[in-house]
Amino acid sequence: EPEVTQTPSHQVTQMGQEVILRCVPISNHLYFYWYRQILGQKVEFLVSFYNNEISEKSEIFDDQFSVERPDGSNFTLKIRSTKLEDSAMYFCATTRDTAFEQYFGPGTRLTVT
Amino acid sequence: EDKVVQSPLSLVVHEGDTVTLNCSYEVTNFRSLLWYKQEKKAPTFLFMLTSSGIEKKSGRLSSILDKKELFSILNITATQTGDSAVYLCAVVVDSNYQLIWGAGTKLIIKP
Repeated sequence: EPEVTQTPSHQVTQMGQEVILRCVPISNHLYFYWYRQILGQKVEFLVSFYNNEISEKSEIFDDQFSVERPDGSNFTLKIRSTKLEDSAMYFCATTRDTAFEQYFGPGTRLTVT
Repeated sequence: EDKVVQSPLSLVVHEGDTVTLNCSYEVTNFRSLLWYKQEKKAPTFLFMLTSSGIEKKSGRLSSILDKKELFSILNITATQTGDSAVYLCAVVVDSNYQLIWGAGTKLIIKP
């Protein structure tokens, strides 16, 4: 069964460093999302992406964040200058159509020290 | 502001018991409601509900949506220790199709 994959599974970085989180969507999926979950808290929406552009973004998704699909397969989330409060689990989700469920990748645990 | 509220926040039962988890929502432009199970990492999809009164069933799990009263329930019968997880409810709203999440119900099944 096709699945969403994410790399790395765990990233440790120092405050102020840039990180890039990668997601490979299921091949026929067209809508892509990033969510994050701070330990012990609820899942939060960050951004949705369709047709090579951002459809919607939350208040969390400020100028430090960016997304792109550089090569037609990977879908990346970049955090330019990480802060301690960016430490969280980051999930990529994809769906083939908005009428269908979103499938989640296994997540990347980001730890900012 | 769109919101999704789940109850209870946590629940401890014994194997074999039946549990009912609740999810209520207040959103504009409701499109669908989804249930996910989260064990150690990523949420795994359980059900998607778009129409009122139609039960979705998968093995010992079932779910139904009431769009008039704005809630959904997830039932698990004959619970097993492997059902222990956080059960998440999320609502899709029309504006941009992202999921608005509840805080989850942490279910612990004791042997």
